[in-house]
Amino acid sequence: EVQLVESGGGLVQAGRSLRLSCEASGFTFHDHAMHWVRQDPGRGLEWVAAINWNSGFKAYVDSVKGRFTISRDNAKNSLYLQMNSLRPEDTALYYCVKDMGTSGWYAFDMWGQGTRVTVSS
Amino acid sequence: DIVMTQSPLSLPVTPGEPASIYCRSSQSLLHSNGDNYLDWYVQKPGQSPQLLIYLGSNRASGVPDRISGSGSGTDFTLRISRVAADDVGVYYCMHALQTPFTFGQGTKLEIK
Repeated sequence: EVQLVESGGGLVQAGRSLRLSCEASGFTFHDHAMHWVRQDPGRGLEWVAAINWNSGFKAYVDSVKGRFTISRDNAKNSLYLQMNSLRPEDTALYYCVKDMGTSGWYAFDMWGQGTRVTVSS
Repeated sequence: DIVMTQSPLSLPVTPGEPASIYCRSSQSLLHSNGDNYLDWYVQKPGQSPQLLIYLGSNRASGVPDRISGSGSGTDFTLRISRVAADDVGVYYCMHALQTPFTFGQGTKLEIK
């Protein structure tokens, strides 16, 4: 069974850091690009960051550039999101997402249950 | 950034009747390889989003054939030929042509 399990969310003050983790199972992790997507009831779904299979290409939404870093460890079947200088507007449910693609990306075919991040001002 | 606009935002449907959701992008999603980089997702109550349609018209694994996607360029449609109670949820289109990927506002399908 394909599974993505996120962890690392919590309540944090503005300006502090959090590191989200996602453990993948049930598929060949290193064959797929991966993403983080967040959901805030007030703003719907927002793609946050992407990484290709070998970490050779990474991309971010403008609002997190310079503050968030996506990374992966294929030996551990794990995806990470280091979030620094957190802001109240980063408050959301963060999903770990598997892409159907490998080097590129085109569809998100598996989503985790999400980990909640709350940033207080 | 590419802006995705969905309509309607609310869609009450009688079971057994058809339903259509529309999605328009601010620029063409037709890649030079011939594929339209447009996906459809549904988020059912209490669940994470799940993929329905990828590259404009391809059903994801396990999606019934009463659900279909069509369109090209900037205008796309998701059709459900016969709505069932299990189809309740919020439907999103998303483009995957270039980063940042962006989603539509969502269309809430409810049963009359």
